[in-house]
This record gives sequence, C-alpha cells and structure tokens, in this order.
Amino acid sequence: IAGITQAPTSQILAAGRRMTLRCTQDMRHNAMYWYRQDLGLGLRLIHYSNTAGTTGKGEVPDGYSVSRANTDDFPLTLASAVPSQTSVYFCASSEQAGVPYNEQFFGPGTRLTVL
Amino acid sequence: AQSVTQLDSQVPVFEEAPVELRCNYSSSVSVYLFWYVQYPNQGLQLLLKYLSGSTLVKGINGFEAEFNKSQTSFHLRKPSVHISDTAEYFCAVTPLGSYIPTFGRGTSLIVHP
Repeated sequence: IAGITQAPTSQILAAGRRMTLRCTQDMRHNAMYWYRQDLGLGLRLIHYSNTAGTTGKGEVPDGYSVSRANTDDFPLTLASAVPSQTSVYFCASSEQAGVPYNEQFFGPGTRLTVL
Repeated sequence: AQSVTQLDSQVPVFEEAPVELRCNYSSSVSVYLFWYVQYPNQGLQLLLKYLSGSTLVKGINGFEAEFNKSQTSFHLRKPSVHISDTAEYFCAVTPLGSYIPTFGRGTSLIVHP
C-alpha cells in the first residue's frame, strides 16, 4: 500500500514560472490537504478538500490553487512562482471530512526552491 | 479560534535519558489532541491521540502523553530515549465542530550518544 505519493520530490524553479505539485492517495480518503512547512513556522494549511468536487481555503492560500476532480488526486498549482513560496510542501489526507478525531496521513513532501 | 504552543523549539538530551516535550493549547470548546513525529526527510506520522477517557495515552515507540484539562496541556513523554528518536515532534489540536487540526510550530528532539 503506497498511501500518499507526491511528485516531484524536489524542484528548483525560476520566479514567474507555473508549477503543479502532484498528490495521489490510494486509501479512498474523502478529505485532502496541502500544507507548507517553513522553519520556525511549523505547518500551515494552504488549501483543503472535503470530497471530490469541493475545495476550501486554508490559512495561507494566496498564490496557490487546487482542484479535486476525483477522490485520489489533489494537485497544487503555483500560477506564477515567487521566492517566498520556497518551502517544503506536504499533502495529507484523512478518512472523512467533518470528523475531528480522524488522524491525518502525510505524503513524503516536495521540496520547492524558487529563485 | 484555537492555538497551540510548543514551548521548546529544540530539546537536546542524552541517549537513555527521559524526555518531556511540552504542548499547551487554548480553545473555547473541547478539543481532540494529537502528537505527530517527523523523521528527517519524511512526512509526519501519528504518534498518539487523545479523544476521551483516560487522560494518559500511550502511543508508538514507547511514547505517552497526558491530557491535563485544567492546565490545557498535552505533554509528550518517554522514559528512555534512543538515538532513533531524533526527529521533529508536532502537537496538534482539532476543536469540536471542526475537522482541520491546528499544528504547533514543532519541537526538535536531538538525542546525543
């Protein structure tokens, strides 16, 4: 069982370029999330999705967009990357939306550097 | 709104010594509490969680945490650490009525031989 896969593992990107980070889960979880992790700031939620076809904004959504066409995939797009988006990005999922005691399952992360 | 404070950004300790990683939270409603561990270059994984019942919760790898409602704390403990416990530890809370957790900023546990 793979759980959550993310691609690419790492990427160096020129400022102004468009980039899509991929996330796929095989657990049939309804809820999915994108976080960024920055030193000293912990994890901050970018966007989330309760179920296929719905998305919501998290704490730091500006400059990012997501889509949820099906249960398994939850890509994160940077339309025009800026250096402040240099970070490690984690995709996560949980079994059901609306259930506060469900744990989250995390992917291995994508390390993105914007120059 | 809820918040999570991990009081120590870094905790150095020698192998086989006990350790406590502190977590305090604030919330106007009841919460569910979690500890996650992140090993180097990996994603987070669940260590343990408190939902209800006994305030002492046991998790994987010999870790345990105690929920103290009056002090709004959920400190993580291990009586004897190993080199392999070196990792980043995150406390998280999910308030009743929500399902999206708020994470603390993390505590880096560094175990020295």
